[in-house]
Parts: sequence; structure tokens; C-alpha cells
Amino acid sequence: KQEVTQIPAALSVPEGENLVLNCSFTDSAIYNLQWFRQDPGKGLTSLLLIQSSQREQTSGRLNASLDKSSGRSTLYIAASQPGDSATYLCAVGAGNMLTFGGGTRLMVKP
Amino acid sequence: GAGVSQSPSNKVTEKGKDVELRCDPISGHTALYWYRQSLGQGLEFLIYFQGNSAPDKSGLPSDRFSAERTGGSVSTLTIQRTQQEDSAVYLCASSLSGSGYEQYFGPGTRLTVT
Repeated sequence: KQEVTQIPAALSVPEGENLVLNCSFTDSAIYNLQWFRQDPGKGLTSLLLIQSSQREQTSGRLNASLDKSSGRSTLYIAASQPGDSATYLCAVGAGNMLTFGGGTRLMVKP
Repeated sequence: GAGVSQSPSNKVTEKGKDVELRCDPISGHTALYWYRQSLGQGLEFLIYFQGNSAPDKSGLPSDRFSAERTGGSVSTLTIQRTQQEDSAVYLCASSLSGSGYEQYFGPGTRLTVT
């Protein structure tokens, strides 16, 4: 059974810092990995999708990498802003579903 | 274009009652998913529909849960004889096609069973 772990569970940083969120998964037989953002009381917003054949994807200040063989992905956020405060969820796709990690709750202080 | 929509946004029901939750996927998306997000269990897969194929019901927690997708578009998740442990946020997602495509999520329905 696929298990997805996100570290750290919570993170508080001052505005402007670069930061890295980590995601690990136990079964490397995946077809993709998706990073999401969730604001309190809201649904999930897709940030980046990495197919299993890819190593990384970039969107604006966000960069996500994937090392399928070691079961790891990282989400790099450059020059963090207070508006980046949210919960970030990693999900791996296999079979007919996404399996989610527990999330990293990020607070960026002005 | 319009995203995934869900209704109602909030539902409070008494234990033992039946509830129906609705999902409208993005137009043209053939795959539709239901997930549940609860404090104790995180985000869990419930059921998957793809075109006219038989749905993948492997995530449904009990036979009190069922789902339909009519005409390949709108889906309804039904919970019979609700229990307090059913309290959660129910999220619907859709994707252009089946496995491997990016999933887009709706805002969710918050279900509270009293």
C-alpha cells in the first residue's frame, strides 16, 4: 500500500526566505506526482504536476523535483511572501487515484 | 472556464438520515473522483468514474456509501444512515481523461453529522 509522508508538518518563516518542502513515498510505481495548495476552509488548488518520466517542473517562484527511484519529491518556494501561507499537499498518482501526504502547514510572517 | 462545482457547500444532518452530495465536473472531463478529508484520516480516495467503464469503488468505507454518475457528467455521492464518523469534507475532482492526467478539485462539501 502506498504511503506518502511530508516533512515538516509545519513551518514558520520570515518573508523573503527561500524554503523547501519535502515529500516521500514508499512505492515508486507511480505515473505522476502533484503538489497542491489548500487555504483554510477551501478546496485544493493544483500547483505543479510532474509526470513520472520528468525530473522537475517550474511555475513562477515554485519549482518541484521528482526522484522516482528514491521515492522523493521537493517543492522549492523562492522569495516567500505572506500570501504563500497555506497548507501544501503532495499526492502521488497510481492506479485510479491520488494518495496524499498529511501536508505541510506554512506560515510566512511579514 | 468554470471549474469543478459542488453542492451544498455545507450540510448538517442528524445521525441516521441519508444525504446526497452533488458534483459538477469541468466540461469535457471524462474522469471524476470523490475523496474525503477528515481530521483523523487526512485525504482519502473514495471512488473513480471514467467514461462508461465500471467505477472503481475500492475506497468506499462501507456499503452505506454509494455514488452515481449520470450521462457521463454530474455525479451524486449518497451516504445512507449517516454516522458521526462520516463527518468530513467531501471533495470531488475531475480530469481530462483517466489515470495520469492532472486532477482539478472542487471547493468541497462540509458534512456534519449530529
